[in-house]
Order: sequence, then structure tokens, then C-alpha cells
Amino acid sequence: ETGVTQSPTHLIKTRGQQVTLRCSSQSGHNTVSWYQQALGQGPQFIFQYYREEENGRGNFPPRFSGLQFPNYSSELNVNALELDDSALYLCASSPALGGTDTQYFGPGTRLTVL
Amino acid sequence: DQQVKQNSPSLSVQEGRISILNCDYTNSMFDYFLWYKKYPAEGPTFLISISSIKDKNEDGRFTVFLNKSAKHLSLHIVPSQPGDSAVYFCAAVAGTSYGKLTFGQGTILTVHP
Repeated sequence: ETGVTQSPTHLIKTRGQQVTLRCSSQSGHNTVSWYQQALGQGPQFIFQYYREEENGRGNFPPRFSGLQFPNYSSELNVNALELDDSALYLCASSPALGGTDTQYFGPGTRLTVL
Repeated sequence: DQQVKQNSPSLSVQEGRISILNCDYTNSMFDYFLWYKKYPAEGPTFLISISSIKDKNEDGRFTVFLNKSAKHLSLHIVPSQPGDSAVYFCAAVAGTSYGKLTFGQGTILTVHP
């Protein structure tokens, strides 16, 4: 069974650019969530997708957007990058929508904005 | 507004002794709590969870205690092993409608041989 994978591992962008991060969910999982982890902080919820629809969103501006595909892989897009967007971006998949279903995290993508 | 707080940034423990990691929360809507462990260059790994209808859950060396009146939970690791050295995050869920996890800042646990 393949776990959650993310690409790329590291990424360097400049302020104002756009970035797309990718996540491949664990087999059989139809729910994916994205989190931002700033240095020295815990992960912060960005949004969740269930069966290709956004199911919930945290306190992030609209320039953070996402997609989930029929094969349950997912993308996180960030437009107009700002310096504060520098962080580790984690995706997590779970087998169902419920809050008590264990979320399995990928290793993350480290984004640096210069 | 930090709804889940881990006030100890780090904890150092001798191998074989007990490690106690603490977590406080402010949102009374939280009704499910989890602990995750994170090694460098890896994503968080689920460790143990507890529902608000319980006050204790045990899994091998790991026990989580929940004190709802104090809005406090703790993770006990007995006996601690060097391989337990990692960052530990507590997380909370409000309701079971969807899995928005609210995390604390994390505690770095170092277990010395």
C-alpha cells in the first residue's frame, strides 16, 4: 500500500509568482486536507476536499486554492506569493469525511519565497 | 487566537523514565483529540487519540489522559526510548462533520540513552 506522497520536495519562488504543489493520496482515501506549517509552529488547516468538492476552509485568503481529481490526487495553488507564504506544506488523506478518521500525512513540500 | 497550546517547547528525559507531554485547549466545542509524532523530513504520524466521552486511552507504551473540566490533555510515554525522540503535536477536532485538525505548536522530546 502506497502512502501519501507529495511533490516537489523543495521549491524556491520569488514574491509575486504562482506555485502549484501536488499530493497523491493513500490508496482508497477520498478525502484530502492541506496544512501550512510555519517554522516553529504547528500545522494550520488550509482547506479540505471530499470527492472533488471543497468541504471546509481555514483562515486563508482566496489566493490559496485547490483541486482534487477523480483519482483523488490533489493540488494546492498559491497565487501572488508573499514572503510569509514560506513554510512546509503538508497534505493529509483520510478514508472518509468524518473528523475522527485518521489523517495520514505526506512528507511535505518546503516552499521558500524570496 | 491559539486554541490549542503546548506550553513546553522542549522536554528532555532519560531512557526508561516517563515522558509527560501536556496540551491545553480553549475551544469547548473540541470533542476529539489526537497526538501526532513528527521526525525531521517526514510528515506527522498518528500516535493515539481520545474521544471527549473518555478520560483515558491506552495503546502500549502510550497513554493519553483527558481532563475536560480543565481543558487539558496529556500524553504519557512509559518507558521512554531514544527512538521516541521527535516533535509531538497535539491536535483537536470540533465535531465530526469534517476533519479540520487544530494543532498545538509542538513539543520537542529528546530521550537520552
